[in-house]
Amino acid sequence: QITLKESGPTLVKPTQTLTLTCTFSGFSLSTSGVGVGWIRQPPGKALEWLAIIYWNDDKRYSPSLKSRLTITKDTSKDQVVLTMTNMDPVDTATYYCAHYSLVRSCFDYWGQGTLVTVSS
Amino acid sequence: DIQMTQSPSSLSASVGDRVTITCRASQSISSYLNWYQQKAGKAPKLLIYAASSLQSGVPSRFSGSGSGTDFTLTISSLQPEDFATYYCQQSYSTLTWTFGQGTKVEIK
Repeated sequence: QITLKESGPTLVKPTQTLTLTCTFSGFSLSTSGVGVGWIRQPPGKALEWLAIIYWNDDKRYSPSLKSRLTITKDTSKDQVVLTMTNMDPVDTATYYCAHYSLVRSCFDYWGQGTLVTVSS
Repeated sequence: DIQMTQSPSSLSASVGDRVTITCRASQSISSYLNWYQQKAGKAPKLLIYAASSLQSGVPSRFSGSGSGTDFTLTISSLQPEDFATYYCQQSYSTLTWTFGQGTKVEIK
């Protein structure tokens, strides 16, 4: 059974750096064909893909946010960490992590999400 | 970037209705198209992957079709638990993944 759960601050101030952790179980990020991605959703708006990291440590970032994002993995802890620098109120959103299957090319399991508010 | 456009943005339907949602890609994406259902306050749930493959555990009233640039999600007989927002997502590009803007299915 695959599960994922996001954790991190619920409130950050403008210009601060956000660090979110995705802790998962039921799969290993050292298994070929597996990835973990981050997707966010501002209140009342659509889903926006942010970043993904694969079992082989290959990484991809949203072009519009690439300069602000870093994704890393700790296979021994079954965790993926996303950092986003220079936070702004427009970054207020629910942030989701999700298991990515390279074979099926889809995000097939999602965490419950964590709401991050950016405000002074 | 590949843009995904869904239509309509919202629709009202009754229980038992047949519902069709359309998703169009800005360039050909073969069959690299997924559909997700999101209920209020919940995480998205995968319904359909590779344009027409039903995710395990998803009711058979959901079906997907299309290839290239035009895709559809069909709910053959709308049930009360199907009222939600539906998103398409392309996975053709291995550099970026993009979602449609969503289609909200509401009770008529």
